[in-house]
Amino acid sequence: SQQGEEDPQALSIQEGENATMNCSYKTSINNLQWYRQNSGRGLVHLILIRSNEREKHSGRLRVTLDTSKKSSSLLITASRAADTASYFCATGNQAGTALIFGKGTTLSVSS
Amino acid sequence: DTAVSQTPKYLVTQMGNDKSIKCEQNLGHDTMYWYKQDSKKFLKIMFSYNNKELIINETVPNRFSPKSPDKAHLNLHINSLELGDSAVYFCASSQALARGYTFGSGTRLTVV
Repeated sequence: SQQGEEDPQALSIQEGENATMNCSYKTSINNLQWYRQNSGRGLVHLILIRSNEREKHSGRLRVTLDTSKKSSSLLITASRAADTASYFCATGNQAGTALIFGKGTTLSVSS
Repeated sequence: DTAVSQTPKYLVTQMGNDKSIKCEQNLGHDTMYWYKQDSKKFLKIMFSYNNKELIINETVPNRFSPKSPDKAHLNLHINSLELGDSAVYFCASSQALARGYTFGSGTRLTVV
């Protein structure tokens, strides 16, 4: 079954607004990763947060992790049209040999 | 210098044909993967190789056969293509799971 589930499935905002996406997972993790996929392209690694971290920042990205709730959130501040993409969370499978991806959140930022 | 390159980018073929997709990485990573992304953007792991050794072989029809001639290459051969094989296939590589993946740009396979 799916390890990560993103919420919402789709999000539409205006440029300059903040975008928040959530991810829930089922089993214990060592880390959780977020990826971006632009239309027609491969996924790009954005940020990784370890299980002993609660919050991490990278530029306009802020990721939080709550291991007690088995959930993570990705916040993109001051969104730009170029942030339009699908965003996926990923965690390791039980054997630790591959990443399992959620279904993704499709973000549309209009100018 | 593309880090993970896949060829071809687009592949349109008839049912019953056999086709191959090639993947090469120049990052020196030990592990390579094949994922299938369906029309709803759901990504499913198919295979994983670590230094030419098969690590993961998910529930994938026998018509799919990966081949890794060396740790920089992981090819995917598909026999007797079916309509349901239409999807985007992604190759990825990593040095360690905790460092994340580098993905190729994908191969869009359309079976008609």
